[in-house]
Amino acid sequence: DVKVTQSSRYLVKRTGEKVFLECVQDMDHENMFWYRQDPGLGLRLIYFSYDVKMKEKGDIPEGYSVSREKKERFSLILESASTNQTSMYLCASSLWDRGQYGYTFGSGTRLTVV
Amino acid sequence: KQEVTQIPAALSVPEGENLVLNCSFTDSAIYNLQWFRQDPGKGLTSLLLIQSSQREQTSGRLNASLDKSSGRSTLYIAASQPGDSATYLCAVGGNNRLAFGKGNQVVVIP
Repeated sequence: DVKVTQSSRYLVKRTGEKVFLECVQDMDHENMFWYRQDPGLGLRLIYFSYDVKMKEKGDIPEGYSVSREKKERFSLILESASTNQTSMYLCASSLWDRGQYGYTFGSGTRLTVV
Repeated sequence: KQEVTQIPAALSVPEGENLVLNCSFTDSAIYNLQWFRQDPGKGLTSLLLIQSSQREQTSGRLNASLDKSSGRSTLYIAASQPGDSATYLCAVGGNNRLAFGKGNQVVVIP
């Protein structure tokens, strides 16, 4: 069964810490995405990548960076965590296929910044 | 920019009733439309994917239709069960990006 795996279900970090959220997919997908989900705001795209070492800003990239050194792994980095980054973070992947196949999501990481 | 709307935000139905969830979008130049289910505190589970050239997709009790020209999709869940209680999200795919609605939170009352 195809899978997107997020390394942590729950994380608690302190303000100012550097935080790494890891995502791994086993489907040989070209595209990978990071979203955050907040009540009342829905899912918002932070960054995406369509190839190794390639990245594109989404709708809310401020305060985040990403890394994609291998095709299967896409990391989201909070350089200096702040309380307004407390959220549910969701990783997804897809093929570069113009819509024939859909997106597969991971189970999410609930990050709390205190 | 693609805007996706799901109304109402929340609804309750008695067990056994058919569920009808609506999704509208502003830009008809889409690659596909995907319906997801999300349980509290969990990730998204894909229910149905409709490619832009298709009109509908079915899986068990679920049926989703797509009308690109009017910018609408409908998810039907037949004979609802308490286990169908969840949030249902509509997502429109285009140019390697997904635009999400804010979801319909559904409660099926036993």
